[in-house]
Amino acid sequence: SAVISQKPSRDICQRGTSLTIQCQVDSQVTMMFWYRQQPGQSLTLIATANQGSEATYESGFVIDKFPISRPNLTFSTLTVSNMSPEDSSIYLCSVEDYDRVYGYTFGSGTRLTVV
Amino acid sequence: SQQGEEDPQALSIQEGENATMNCSYKTSINNLQWYRQNSGRGLVHLILIRSNEREKHSGRLRVTLDTSKKSSSLLITASRAADTASYFCATDAIAGGTSYGKLTFGQGTILTVHP
Repeated sequence: SAVISQKPSRDICQRGTSLTIQCQVDSQVTMMFWYRQQPGQSLTLIATANQGSEATYESGFVIDKFPISRPNLTFSTLTVSNMSPEDSSIYLCSVEDYDRVYGYTFGSGTRLTVV
Repeated sequence: SQQGEEDPQALSIQEGENATMNCSYKTSINNLQWYRQNSGRGLVHLILIRSNEREKHSGRLRVTLDTSKKSSSLLITASRAADTASYFCATDAIAGGTSYGKLTFGQGTILTVHP
């Protein structure tokens, strides 16, 4: 299955600033997924990123707040813009196993604290 | 919105005992998956069960799926302290006959195994 390198692993940011999270996959994948996990909560899908097209956002998430880039089949970034303390969460990227035999592979997560 | 509900929310057992976690979901699915998360880090895929399967084993893990009741259970036998983690079920849903290709997570069960 794929291996994902996600950076940074954690960050503490000032409110009003932006943070870009990167995910690098060791193989080419069609779709990449970005999730948010708020403190003590489960994971919620933010958006699906396909190479060469605009990301598809889930209800409650907008491009201006969470712009996503997908320049090629092995890389994607998620930016958390104009941050507030409510954005403090773990952000995870994910890719699908090529034939779904093994489910999905997740990055190690980015723990974001906004102060 | 979250598809799944899991119970119990928290489970505390002694090493060597079995741990059972349950998951319910709402829509038709392609498959249901179980993941483990240690201390708010990335998710590790444990096991996937397809909608036409009723039971699946992997090492000390046993998963059942009842599509008529839209429920699943995860059994960990002979638990170890290293099994202490949060466990999430996730469904890979069907939309109009085509899989979404994304996951909807349950709320999770926090398992603590005491040595």
